[in-house]
Amino acid sequence: QIQLVQSGPELKKPGETVKISCKASGYTFTNYGMNWVKQAPGKGLKWMGWINTYTGEPTYADDFKGRFAFSLETSASTAYLQINNLKNEDTATYFCAREGITTAFAYWGQGTLVTVSA
Amino acid sequence: SIVMTQTPKFLLVSAGDRVTITCKASQSVSNDVAWYQQKPGQSPKLLIYYASNRYTGVPDRFTGSGYGTDFTFTISTVQAEDLAVYFCQQDYSSPPTFGGGTKLEIK
Repeated sequence: QIQLVQSGPELKKPGETVKISCKASGYTFTNYGMNWVKQAPGKGLKWMGWINTYTGEPTYADDFKGRFAFSLETSASTAYLQINNLKNEDTATYFCAREGITTAFAYWGQGTLVTVSA
Repeated sequence: SIVMTQTPKFLLVSAGDRVTITCKASQSVSNDVAWYQQKPGQSPKLLIYYASNRYTGVPDRFTGSGYGTDFTFTISTVQAEDLAVYFCQQDYSSPPTFGGGTKLEIK
């Protein structure tokens, strides 16, 4: 079955860097793009962008241009989200998500909580 | 970006009640609306796509309707296990955007 398994929680200080992984299984990795979604504590969902897993080309939502980077390790069917120069407002759970038979997000990782605190 | 205005933000209901949540898009999104359920501590789960299509394995007490700018999500007979936050989302145009969520609590 299709699974997206994310790396564990992270505790970081402001200014540090974090890299989250999302390992896909149960399908051909390069056939579907990978999306990233942010959920701040007690808040709603915000789409960060996606990466074309066939070409490696990332697309970032406007609020996530600059400090955020999507990357791939295609041989390991794994997508990554890196956040540089962490700020307190980056404290959130980050989800990877994949489309299904439509453009809706049918498959989600379990989420990775990133806490930024001095 | 298209804004999805979801109401109400909070619902307190009894098991067996009928629940309706609405989402209004800031511009037409055709029928490109999905509805998700997020239970405490879990990732979102797709319930409805293309406004009215129930996703695989979703119980038929969950239904969606609407077209253009106005969308409705209904739970016909709420069960205790439906305790969750529900989100609408448009994927008509990029960036895909979500409603603010409706927290459903059971008395």
